[in-house]
Amino acid sequence: EAGVAQSPRYKIIEKRQSVAFWCNPISGHATLYWYQQILGQGPKLLIQFQNNGVVDDSQLPKDRFSAERLKGVDSTLKIQPAKLEDSAVYLCASSLDFGTGAHYGYTFGSGTRLTVV
Amino acid sequence: KQEVTQIPAALSVPEGENLVLNCSFTDSAIYNLQWFRQDPGKGLTSLLLIQSSQREQTSGRLNASLDKSSGRSTLYIAASQPGDSATYLCAVKQPTDSWGKFQFGAGTQVVVTP
Repeated sequence: EAGVAQSPRYKIIEKRQSVAFWCNPISGHATLYWYQQILGQGPKLLIQFQNNGVVDDSQLPKDRFSAERLKGVDSTLKIQPAKLEDSAVYLCASSLDFGTGAHYGYTFGSGTRLTVV
Repeated sequence: KQEVTQIPAALSVPEGENLVLNCSFTDSAIYNLQWFRQDPGKGLTSLLLIQSSQREQTSGRLNASLDKSSGRSTLYIAASQPGDSATYLCAVKQPTDSWGKFQFGAGTQVVVTP
């Protein structure tokens, strides 16, 4: 099966600029996650979607970050305006989970490495 | 709040030696635990997924055990090779209403020297 697709792979922007990342999950995976991974740390969940509804966005800095998942498939994560501390790898993952009690694992994309200068 | 810890943060072993990586978590109410491998600048590759009802999972040279009562999982890699050099992360999936979310450890960086 095709994996989780992410683009772009790398992005360098100046602080206060805006940037957007795109993710296409595995076909049929209802749950989609965006994670932020700062160098040397484990991934931190930013937002979790179930189909096109938000399940958890408690750690998303909503003053500058936004995300959407139109039609329950592709998703876009946006940062506006970017700060130096947003430099990180942004990972998208998807899972079969439907909240029915069966619990599956994750499949991750290759990530987007963002550098804010 | 679930805390996931991986010790040591870094490990260097000679080729051929067995690797033992540890993961501990504070809340034993988990759905499952997943081990990942991450190469520099890359995404995460799933290695093994252990459901909460299981004690271990095996795949080739990899074996992962799970002891929920003590809040621990161990990943064993037999006869290590230089290609095993990477960062290994564990993640536990915990109940959150009807859904689950994964909490990650910070990872163990492994270097296997020829």
